Amino acid sequence: SQELEQSPQSLIVQEGKNLTINCTSSKTLYGLYWYKQKYGEGLIFLMMLQKGGEEKSHEKITAKLDEKKQQSSLHITASQPSHAGIYLCGADGGSNYKLTFGKGTLLTVNP
Amino acid sequence: GAVVSQHPSWVICKSGTSVKIECRSLDFQATTMFWYRQFPKQSLMLMATSNEGSKATYEQGVEKDKFLINHASLTLSTLTVTSAHPEDSSFYICSVRGTEAFFGQGTRLTVV
Repeated sequence: SQELEQSPQSLIVQEGKNLTINCTSSKTLYGLYWYKQKYGEGLIFLMMLQKGGEEKSHEKITAKLDEKKQQSSLHITASQPSHAGIYLCGADGGSNYKLTFGKGTLLTVNP
Repeated sequence: GAVVSQHPSWVICKSGTSVKIECRSLDFQATTMFWYRQFPKQSLMLMATSNEGSKATYEQGVEKDKFLINHASLTLSTLTVTSAHPEDSSFYICSVRGTEAFFGQGTRLTVV
């Protein structure tokens, strides 16, 4: 079965600082999803990556998928308190449409 | 994108009772829906795949008689936690797959 490892498990940064969260898969990824979650709430879709080397950006968040499609990174530029939350990466299982999730990264942004 | 509505958002029930959680796909006909469970400060674990008009497919270790899933229409799947116990207290969230994966807002179940 596919396993996703996220790092770091938690991260505390000062407002305005840049940060990166990594997601590594044990198998080649058909697709990689990034979500943000406030604890106890639903998942907010951020981005989906499918092609090796693909990079997408939305506002101050950039996600990349490496050429081998086994590692993805999420980069936040000039972090703000509104970026705080749990960031989850999810791997697309291919034809069965199942998503397998990493354990998440808890981000705290101090004003 | 698909809008997924989950109800209720939170529920408290007594041990031994059953609780039903609804997941509705508001603008997308979903032949398949997914049910996840999340323990505090942990990731989402897939419980089962709900298939419209047929039996759900359960992940290893998930009791199908404990967590009854019904997917009677293309827009509604329900998860019933039967004879709930405190250890069933958790955050349950459903998902619909289109070109992307969309999630409901989740249901926090507390069994007392």
